[in-house]
Amino acid sequence: QSALTQPASVSGSPGQSITISCTGTSSDVGSHNLVSWYQQHPGEAPKLIIYEGSKRPSGVSNRFSGSKSGNTASLTISGLQAEDEADYYCCSYAGNSWVFGGGTKLTVL
Amino acid sequence: EVQLVESGGGVVRPGGSLRLSCAASGFTFDDYGMSWVRQAPGKGLEWVSGINWNGGSTGYVDSVKGRFTISRDNAKNSLYLQMNSLRAEDTALYYCAGQAVGRYYFGYWGQGTLVTVSS
Repeated sequence: QSALTQPASVSGSPGQSITISCTGTSSDVGSHNLVSWYQQHPGEAPKLIIYEGSKRPSGVSNRFSGSKSGNTASLTISGLQAEDEADYYCCSYAGNSWVFGGGTKLTVL
Repeated sequence: EVQLVESGGGVVRPGGSLRLSCAASGFTFDDYGMSWVRQAPGKGLEWVSGINWNGGSTGYVDSVKGRFTISRDNAKNSLYLQMNSLRAEDTALYYCAGQAVGRYYFGYWGQGTLVTVSS
């Protein structure tokens, strides 16, 4: 039950694209396509933005996209906007349990 | 409108107990597995415990096994977390979160209830 590995912080300017990586193991991220991503603004509850690796819930901007290669999942945000500044967490199902990443703080410069 | 409303948090001394509750509305509760996810002050998210739609299967993170017990009452659309032998490191905002049966992501989240373990 070790946490998934995410960079502590990333930054980008408005209009740019950024990618956040999420590295696990062959027992979690690498064993299926059940990675989800959550956005959390300060003082708010987390919000689902990507599920099953690359699918977007209704109402989530298509500027958010997800992918996976081996034991590493990635979240890409294109056309950065000021309101994207938040903490982002990946999460993987791990067989009757879930494991989150440590979180990445996105700063929009 | 989907709502998950947590309650029962508070300040407790090390070794003490608390029972958290989560009241669900706006969706068919027994179509969802439920979990508790916590966030220590200034830290990241940590899955704590989960329960399937009928209470027949439960899971816990290693650090709370033997101390915490998750349960649900589908007739009352409610989720619970009994927390015993509390430690300072259990101090966190505790969210309840729901995942649809057959799905492995948390589509619904409450606003959280704060648990502080301090002498």
